[in-house]
Amino acid sequence: QVQLQESGPGLVKPSQTLSLTCTVSGGSISSGGYYWSWIRQHPGKGLEWIGYIYYSGSTYYNPSLKSRVTISVDTSKDQFFLKLSSVSAADTAVYYCARVFGTNWFNPWGQGTLVTVSS
Amino acid sequence: QSVLTQPPSVSAAPGQKVTISCSGSSSNIGNDYVSWYQQLPGTAPKLLIYENNKRPSGIPDRFSGSKSGTSATLGITGLQTGDEADYYCGTWDSSLSAWVFGGGTKLTVL
Repeated sequence: QVQLQESGPGLVKPSQTLSLTCTVSGGSISSGGYYWSWIRQHPGKGLEWIGYIYYSGSTYYNPSLKSRVTISVDTSKDQFFLKLSSVSAADTAVYYCARVFGTNWFNPWGQGTLVTVSS
Repeated sequence: QSVLTQPPSVSAAPGQKVTISCSGSSSNIGNDYVSWYQQLPGTAPKLLIYENNKRPSGIPDRFSGSKSGTSATLGITGLQTGDEADYYCGTWDSSLSAWVFGGGTKLTVL
């Protein structure tokens, strides 16, 4: 079964770029029919969709974050990536990656990784 | 303020039934499928219901989903203490061109 695992720095300085990797195992990103997504959850708050990418490289971003977000994919490594620029304390959150069926539901999710923005 | 409105909390006794509502508009729930997610304390969200009322493999039939117009409902019967979690609805919003989640509902099994 497909599993996803987030990785990356747990601490990022304000104004810098947050970079995370999601590694997919048990399946191929190139298998088609799925998008691959990033979602975040601020401490004690609800879920916020960041964006998703198809294996071909087509992307959809949350308009509220679009100016700062880049999602990319490396099909040879079954990995996809998140870059969020010009971060502030408001970007402190648990970041999840997930597989998306069509564009309709998220399953499965990675375990999440906490990223703290602080100097 | 979430685009999809859920009650902040619901509670019921073990063995009882509870429903969680998710209210939206014609640009989101009224226009696309709804999915529901369970987030147990300290864990990642897990898919409970997709395409309004379908259960993934492994999800017990105590969990059900329905949709009518611009609202959706998650039902849980035979409540267990292990069902205590946060529950989120979600769907695509065509006006925002974004996936949106409800604010989440905390279920307490008394």
